[in-house]
Amino acid sequence: ETGVTQSPTHLIKTRGQQVTLRCSSQSGHNTVSWYQQALGQGPQFIFQYYREEENGRGNFPPRFSGLQFPNYSSELNVNALELDDSALYLCASSLAAQEYEQYFGPGTRLTVT
Amino acid sequence: AQSVTQLGSHVSVSEGALVLLRCNYSSSVPPYLFWYVQYPNQGLQLLLKYTSAATLVKGINGFEAEFKKSETSFHLTKPSAHMSDAAEYFCAVKERGGADGLTFGKGTHLIIQP
Repeated sequence: ETGVTQSPTHLIKTRGQQVTLRCSSQSGHNTVSWYQQALGQGPQFIFQYYREEENGRGNFPPRFSGLQFPNYSSELNVNALELDDSALYLCASSLAAQEYEQYFGPGTRLTVT
Repeated sequence: AQSVTQLGSHVSVSEGALVLLRCNYSSSVPPYLFWYVQYPNQGLQLLLKYTSAATLVKGINGFEAEFKKSETSFHLTKPSAHMSDAAEYFCAVKERGGADGLTFGKGTHLIIQP
């Protein structure tokens, strides 16, 4: 059984640029969530996708957007990067029927300069 | 709205001593509760979860937590600390049936003294 994987591991971008982060869900999982973890803080929920549609969103602006594909992999897109977007971005997958079982990937460390 | 408060951003214990990490939550309905551990430069690993069965929940690596509704608490304990337990620990809450994801506390850094 393959766990949750994320790519890339690290990324450096310049303020104002756009970035795409990728996540492959654990085998059989149909729901994916994205979280932002700033340095020294707990993760914050960005949004959740189920059946290729966003069905839940945290307190993040529209420049944070996502996609979920038929194979349940997912992308997080961030436009107009700001310095405060520097963080560890975590992806978690689960089964909709088992919402309490969320498995996290290793994360992508984004640095905005 | 849900919230989680973890008391103590840093907790230091001696190897072999009891570990107690405190978590209090706020939720309008009985939630799911979780403890996750994060090692440096890694993602989150689930230690244990409360979903409504037994109030005393046993997890991996010898950790356990007790759900106390009257105190709105879900404290994490381990009878005997090991050096490998040094890490960041996060308590989290999730509304049942909601699509709002997990709400995490700010974390507690556990330091193990030799």
